[in-house]
Amino acid sequence: AQSVTQLGSHVSVSEGALVLLRCNYSSSVPPYLFWYVQYPNQGLQLLLKYTSAATLVKGINGFEAEFKKSETSFHLTKPSAHMSDAAEYFCAVSETGRRALTFGSGTRLQVQP
Amino acid sequence: ETGVTQSPTHLIKTRGQQVTLRCSSQSGHNTVSWYQQALGQGPQFIFQYYREEENGRGNFPPRFSGLQFPNYSSELNVNALELDDSALYLCASSRGGQTSSGNTIYFGEGSWLTVV
Repeated sequence: AQSVTQLGSHVSVSEGALVLLRCNYSSSVPPYLFWYVQYPNQGLQLLLKYTSAATLVKGINGFEAEFKKSETSFHLTKPSAHMSDAAEYFCAVSETGRRALTFGSGTRLQVQP
Repeated sequence: ETGVTQSPTHLIKTRGQQVTLRCSSQSGHNTVSWYQQALGQGPQFIFQYYREEENGRGNFPPRFSGLQFPNYSSELNVNALELDDSALYLCASSRGGQTSSGNTIYFGEGSWLTVV
């Protein structure tokens, strides 16, 4: 069975600081991995996805994530946080042939001025 | 803008009532999935429809049911509402099966359901 663990339900950074949001997954086969962002009172927006091509994936708004098979991780990073990055971030996993995305419980990112 | 539209955006229902939520998928997408997102949690998969047939289901009781129409729009119906059904219901559309080749899944803004 596939599952996702997001370490840290809340992360606070200063504007301009590095953003690191952690995601570990479990999967019995090579997974597809996704990061979504949810702004208050809105739906989910895809930030980036890993589909077994390059292990370093670049997404929108300056975010990127690196797939590390040995660590079963897919952490999300951004070199310099902006106030507009404040939102809830969800990591999700799926496998070929599965119908559903399995989401982590989310990490709320706060950006302090 | 993801091209996935949902209605209504907010609604309040009484325990025991029935509700229908609607979703219009992105153009060219033949697969629609529904997710429930309770407050403070990640979305949970309810079910998926592919070419008008239910194509997978999560751990939700039968009082959660759905339809997909020839134009690939979809409805989620919930009967005998319970207080715990209060959540954001998200519709997602994609091409050719949920995660075939890691197809991108696009989400709508959601319908907020409050059961009192």
